[in-house]
Amino acid sequence: ETGVTQTPRHLVMGMTNKKSLKCEQHLGHNAMYWYKQSAKKPLELMFVYNFKEQTENNSVPSRFSPECPNSSHLFLHLHTLQPEDSALYLCASSPIPRDSGNYGYTFGSGTRLTVV
Amino acid sequence: GQNIDQPTEMTATEGAIVQINCTYQTSGFNGLFWYQQHAGEAPTFLSYNVLDGLEEKGRFSSFLSRSKGYSYLLLKELQMKDSASYLCVVRPGAGNMLTFGGGTRLMVKP
Repeated sequence: ETGVTQTPRHLVMGMTNKKSLKCEQHLGHNAMYWYKQSAKKPLELMFVYNFKEQTENNSVPSRFSPECPNSSHLFLHLHTLQPEDSALYLCASSPIPRDSGNYGYTFGSGTRLTVV
Repeated sequence: GQNIDQPTEMTATEGAIVQINCTYQTSGFNGLFWYQQHAGEAPTFLSYNVLDGLEEKGRFSSFLSRSKGYSYLLLKELQMKDSASYLCVVRPGAGNMLTFGGGTRLMVKP
């Protein structure tokens, strides 16, 4: 357990379904992130929230819709996905540093999504 | 733009030493991290360097040369459980954004 909890761990959904991924952290961090990791590919940044405000949308299709109701919770709402969206979706959190200290990301265990 | 280069795959023998290199060209530099990621699991923090030199933590060491834009991760006394991907990660600016390398998949063989 890393301190960042993601649910569900596995999800199989049809292309017409609507589902949501949930991420929760109680580390006192003020930034939260969604990353996509396809098989044998690098991490792809999707969204960034600083102090509950979205600061980054990395050209993500509108079928992915993030929501950050507070600094501890982050959701990714999914609808009308495509098979190529099948991947590991990772949530992370971090402090927002004021200096060059050791402020890395803490990742959740991810949701393995399969779109059929 | 930001660019981080590291080998895609490496193979090593149990009990041996392996060095994973990373070079970076980024708009700025405010620290370098190494993360370990086992297949299908979360990346976990291994090390952090912001000044030149070697940081040692048990079997793992990480080195940084800022003038050369270069880092390496050294793993000693390799164990089978060290088979994983190792991610070189740079913080280019003063904020919270990190730039991730593609990762090096290390396979440890008996």
